[in-house]
Amino acid sequence: SQTIHQWPATLVQPVGSPLSLECTVEGTSNPNLYWYRQAAGRGLQLLFYSVGIGQISSEVPQNLSASRPQDRQFILSSKKLLLSDSGFYLCAWSDETGANYGYTFGSGTRLTVV
Amino acid sequence: GEDVEQSLFLSVREGDSSVINCTYTDSSSTYLYWYKQEPGAGLQLLTYIFSNMDMKQDQRLTVLLNKKDKHLSLRIADTQTGDSAIYFCAENTAYSGAGSYQLTFGKGTKLSVIP
Repeated sequence: SQTIHQWPATLVQPVGSPLSLECTVEGTSNPNLYWYRQAAGRGLQLLFYSVGIGQISSEVPQNLSASRPQDRQFILSSKKLLLSDSGFYLCAWSDETGANYGYTFGSGTRLTVV
Repeated sequence: GEDVEQSLFLSVREGDSSVINCTYTDSSSTYLYWYKQEPGAGLQLLTYIFSNMDMKQDQRLTVLLNKKDKHLSLRIADTQTGDSAIYFCAENTAYSGAGSYQLTFGKGTKLSVIP
């Protein structure tokens, strides 16, 4: 069966520090991968999606970047965090056709920038 | 633009039925989804309905789809305190013209169950 792992679960980082959040998927190949941010426990904002290794689409220009060095690995990064980067970050995957059968989400990372 | 609309809050008493409503925009959506998010957790797929169906029932959950009005609802029978969560409606919308789809989510409805 397919599983998605996301870590760390919580993170407190000072302003100006770098960030690296990792997401890996097991039990499938060539998944579509997504990074979302959820502010204040409500709506989801799509940050990045990837349909293959090295293929990253950015939905919102911002202080963050994403990379997909391997088929089932998706990394969210920042060189210098801002206070406004605080939030709940969710990774998700879907099959390569897109989303006919829904997305499967990781358990999320709570990032607090202080 | 493509917006999925939901009311933000719903409060019900334990044992009553909850009905969460959603309107979507893309008439070509083939699937519509309901996700549940408990505090501090990721989103969990509750159920989905194919666009050629009007209704889908799964134990305490009933999904109704009105394609003409682009209206989707989720009914939870005999609502329990464990049902307290945020419920997201989502539709799959085509992108890039390549036959692939992405999910567009509503902002979520926070369901509070009063004991």
